[in-house]
Amino acid sequence: DIQMTQSPSSLSASVGDRVTITCQASQDISNYLNWYQQKPGKAPKLLIYDASNLETGVPSRFSGSGSGTDFTFTISSLQPEDIATYYCQQYDNLLAFGQGTKLEIK
Amino acid sequence: EVQLVESGGGLVQPGGSLRLSCAASGFTFSDHYMDWVRQAPGKGLEWVGRTRNKANSYTTEYAASVKGRFTISRDDSKNSLYLQMNSLKTEDTAVYYCAREGHAAGRLDVWGQGTTVTVSS
Repeated sequence: DIQMTQSPSSLSASVGDRVTITCQASQDISNYLNWYQQKPGKAPKLLIYDASNLETGVPSRFSGSGSGTDFTFTISSLQPEDIATYYCQQYDNLLAFGQGTKLEIK
Repeated sequence: EVQLVESGGGLVQPGGSLRLSCAASGFTFSDHYMDWVRQAPGKGLEWVGRTRNKANSYTTEYAASVKGRFTISRDDSKNSLYLQMNSLKTEDTAVYYCAREGHAAGRLDVWGQGTTVTVSS
């Protein structure tokens, strides 16, 4: 099974800050990596697919990069509505999620 | 409007069974792979399993934690997805989401609101 490791597990930042989350796969997954946002009490929402492609309707302050085993998710300028937990997910072999990164406002 | 609506959650004793349903609307259900994802209280997302579409023989795959106990099925004539859960354990307590894989496999682009399953004596 492919294991996905996200870091950090939690993060506190100020409005306007640049925020970066990393995700590491236990083996090469090419670019088979998606990112989701989940707000409390809500279903997850797809933000980034295939490592770096922005889902339709998602603000351009969200971006993703990486391939192989190491991936990065970035919010270029944090907004109050971005408070949520973020998950990476691989689909190279079945599907599997990272453990999540809880983002809070400082 | 593209929509997924889960139902069937509730309280069940350890060792019991429960069947969840997911009603799809607003898209061609039969074209898509469909998945179940769960989230235990205060925990992260866990993929449960998927069913492929008719073109791929409706094959199913499961996470190791549920393989042999859970069964995913679908009825394309009713635009519905199902999750039969047997031999339930307390650790199966979670919100269960159904999700659509987009036209590219592996991308969960539409989610239901979730249904809660509690396994407790």
